[in-house]
Amino acid sequence: GQSLEQPSEVTAVEGAIVQINCTYQTSGFYGLSWYQQHDGGAPTFLSYNALDGLEETGRFSSFLSRSDSYGYLLLQELQMKDSASYFCAVNGGGADGLTFGKGTHLIIQP
Amino acid sequence: DTGVSQDPRHKITKRGQNVTFRCDPISEHNRLYWYRQTLGQGPEFLTYFQNEAQLEKSRLLSDRFSAERPKGSFSTLEIQRTEQGDSAMYLCASSSQRAPSGSYNEQFFGPGTRLTVL
Repeated sequence: GQSLEQPSEVTAVEGAIVQINCTYQTSGFYGLSWYQQHDGGAPTFLSYNALDGLEETGRFSSFLSRSDSYGYLLLQELQMKDSASYFCAVNGGGADGLTFGKGTHLIIQP
Repeated sequence: DTGVSQDPRHKITKRGQNVTFRCDPISEHNRLYWYRQTLGQGPEFLTYFQNEAQLEKSRLLSDRFSAERPKGSFSTLEIQRTEQGDSAMYLCASSSQRAPSGSYNEQFFGPGTRLTVL
């Protein structure tokens, strides 16, 4: 089976940096993905890490440590529009869809 | 490219009725996925297709759930004899290895069909 753990809620200030952690347990592993979902909206792909290290895409970065079964999403220069839920997801095998965590609700304060 | 579309956007039905949802993926995407999402939870994988072949269906919630993708383009998800516990958002996603990330894990989600079973 597969399971993911991430904080249920994180609060940060506009302009600051926030890190959302994700730990996972899976019987096979093909990569860690991150998705953003605004209230009432569809999940939107942010990043994918198949190998250890940091991937940077604009204000967002994602990190993976396969040996620690751990990853994180780093959001810089926070904007009010970043208020959303963020999900980590794993693909445990080529024949499976994604298994998502329960999501982290990010609250941005002015 | 008009993105993934789903129809209907909302469905209200009475317990015991059958419902069918449609998903039209991004046209060049060969993989299509169905997920269910309930309030406060992440999407829950149900099944997926590569072209017209259904490669994973063991995660369908019960034998009341079935999906098809007859010509490798649009897909339908049917729920027979609906129960109140089936009330949820049903999401469709599609993907291709030609996505910018080069991975099927970069999935493009539709707006979902919200099902309410009375």
